[in-house]
Amino acid sequence: QQPVQSPQAVILREGEDAVINCSSSKALYSVHWYRQKHGEAPVFLMILLKGGEQKGHDKISASFNEKKQQSSLYLTASQLSYSGTYFCGTESGNTDKLIFGTGTRLQVFP
Amino acid sequence: EPEVTQTPSHQVTQMGQEVILRCVPISNHLYFYWYRQILGQKVEFLVSFYNNEISEKSEIFDDQFSVERPDGSNFTLKIRSTKLEDSAMYFCASSDSGGSNQPQHFGDGTRLSIL
Repeated sequence: QQPVQSPQAVILREGEDAVINCSSSKALYSVHWYRQKHGEAPVFLMILLKGGEQKGHDKISASFNEKKQQSSLYLTASQLSYSGTYFCGTESGNTDKLIFGTGTRLQVFP
Repeated sequence: EPEVTQTPSHQVTQMGQEVILRCVPISNHLYFYWYRQILGQKVEFLVSFYNNEISEKSEIFDDQFSVERPDGSNFTLKIRSTKLEDSAMYFCASSDSGGSNQPQHFGDGTRLSIL
């Protein structure tokens, strides 16, 4: 079962914050976050492993709550370059395949 | 920074024809993947490959699909008899080891159009 992302779309002004959520019905070993711009390859942002960790990458950070089988991606003080579709990819067992979520389209305007 | 390269960037093929998509993974990576993305939809896993054999494949990866690492650098996806529904963006990815804590690095993709 694919993870479900919410919201499906976000529109922001530069400098505003956003949260993107990723939920799975299966127990998760890890959550990978990617950003994809139109017509380009998904670009790796970060991995969170089970253990409930949080990670940060410039003004983008994420958390992973393995009990709730959820991860959230936090974008603070958004920049125009943050525009794109964000996908979470999840791993649920002794496997290295990623099951990608439904995607969240983020548009940042000046 | 090393990257995954894919060729061609766009392939147009008649339905029923065979097509081979090529990928050169990052040189010290050992795990290779193919994913596809139908226009406007999510990225879907097709197959993973390690140590010269398929380690996992999805339901999409039926008998029409095959993968090969013909030499030390290339990793190919072959579709034997293409169907209209095979039209999609195909991404190759690689990671330096398997497991849940390793990022997969994606190539820029091959857009496959079946006529």
